[in-house]
Amino acid sequence: DQQVKQNSPSLSVQEGRISILNCDYTNSMFDYFLWYKKYPAEGPTFLISISSIKDKNEDGRFTVFLNKSAKHLSLHIVPSQPGDSAVYFCAASFYNTDKLIFGTGTRLQVFP
Amino acid sequence: NAGVTQTPKFRILKIGQSMTLQCTQDMNHNYMYWYRQDPGMGLKLIYYSVGAGITDKGEVPNGYNVSRSTTEDFPLRLELAAPSQTSVYFCASSIEETQYFGPGTRLLVL
Repeated sequence: DQQVKQNSPSLSVQEGRISILNCDYTNSMFDYFLWYKKYPAEGPTFLISISSIKDKNEDGRFTVFLNKSAKHLSLHIVPSQPGDSAVYFCAASFYNTDKLIFGTGTRLQVFP
Repeated sequence: NAGVTQTPKFRILKIGQSMTLQCTQDMNHNYMYWYRQDPGMGLKLIYYSVGAGITDKGEVPNGYNVSRSTTEDFPLRLELAAPSQTSVYFCASSIEETQYFGPGTRLLVL
């Protein structure tokens, strides 16, 4: 039972354009959502997060949107850069717990 | 500040052998975790710890054991390696909701 789903295994975007990565979840009790970025042969690194009481959080080129009614969140990267090429994981946690439930990841490729 | 470090980076085990994956963090985080990542899959939680002397099972604990004698160290023990344990193992520590990961250990069981 996959509670956090990333239905697109891969995405290819031209440099300078917007990248939109999507994530769906099934459990309405999730309280906090995070995006992690992973390069090959490295551990995931924290990118950006959002609390369930918000619908948007922005950090430089990265913006996360949360639509609780649709149980959907998305990560926007604009403008996309070749260094953004990596696997992006969506993760969620319940209130008052640090345990994360991860999606299966989306591989983003940004080409020149 | 090295963050989360893991050793070894890569290991080949024969079926039935045992080994310990080491994890150390220098951020004084109380919470620590072990995950495994199989190809094309997300990270699955094996075990976690909320502080020294306290551990608990995650989603996929079978075949593994952990201990947490200090805040810094959280080793993962495989007692009888099986091919199904071929995976990449990540250790993490956290403050509040954000987890910080080590570089991973790639394990191949043949």
